Amino acid sequence: AQSVSQHNHHVILSEAASLELGCNYSYGGTVNLFWYVQYPGQHLQLLLKYFSGDPLVKGIKGFEAEFIKSKFSFNLRKPSVQWSDTAEYFCAVNAPNNAGNMLTFGGGTRLMVKP
Amino acid sequence: EAGVTQSPTHLIKTRGQQATLRCSPISGHTSVYWYQQALGLGLQFLLWYDEGEERNRGNFPPRFSGRQFPNYSSELNVNALELEDSALYLCASSLYRGNQPQHFGDGTRLSIL
Repeated sequence: AQSVSQHNHHVILSEAASLELGCNYSYGGTVNLFWYVQYPGQHLQLLLKYFSGDPLVKGIKGFEAEFIKSKFSFNLRKPSVQWSDTAEYFCAVNAPNNAGNMLTFGGGTRLMVKP
Repeated sequence: EAGVTQSPTHLIKTRGQQATLRCSPISGHTSVYWYQQALGLGLQFLLWYDEGEERNRGNFPPRFSGRQFPNYSSELNVNALELEDSALYLCASSLYRGNQPQHFGDGTRLSIL
């Protein structure tokens, strides 16, 4: 079974600071990787996804993530955060070659951006 | 395009009762997934339906069940409610064919008194 770890549970940054949120997964086979964001009072929204190809993936709102297969990692980055990026961020994995197709989520990282 | 819709928004029940939660997927999506987001436990996969069939279930007891209707909407039933069932229940939908991301609804907050 796959598992996902997000190392930072809470992150506090000032506006314009750079962001990197860690995500590691454990699964030996082919995986699809996702980052979802949950803004206060809103539903989970897809930030970006990786299925195959270029390991550097660009998503919405200036976010990007890099898949490093050798490290089983899919870290989320943004060069300069804004107050509106305050939200909870979830890394998720699914393994398309098993029968599950379900997402396995990390525990989430709460980001607070101070104005 | 309408997103995934869930009803009700909030549901309050007492121990031992039964709860029914409903989900309408995005138009054209055939797969529906249910997740539980409980305090301290994160997001956990419950059930996956596609084309009216249960395709997989997570590590939850049999009192968690559901079904998918011919119009691809779905309901989640939780029988013999326990206090620890208090959580936000999220529904997601996706296209089944190929690698497709899941799109989530706002959730139903189930509170057990």
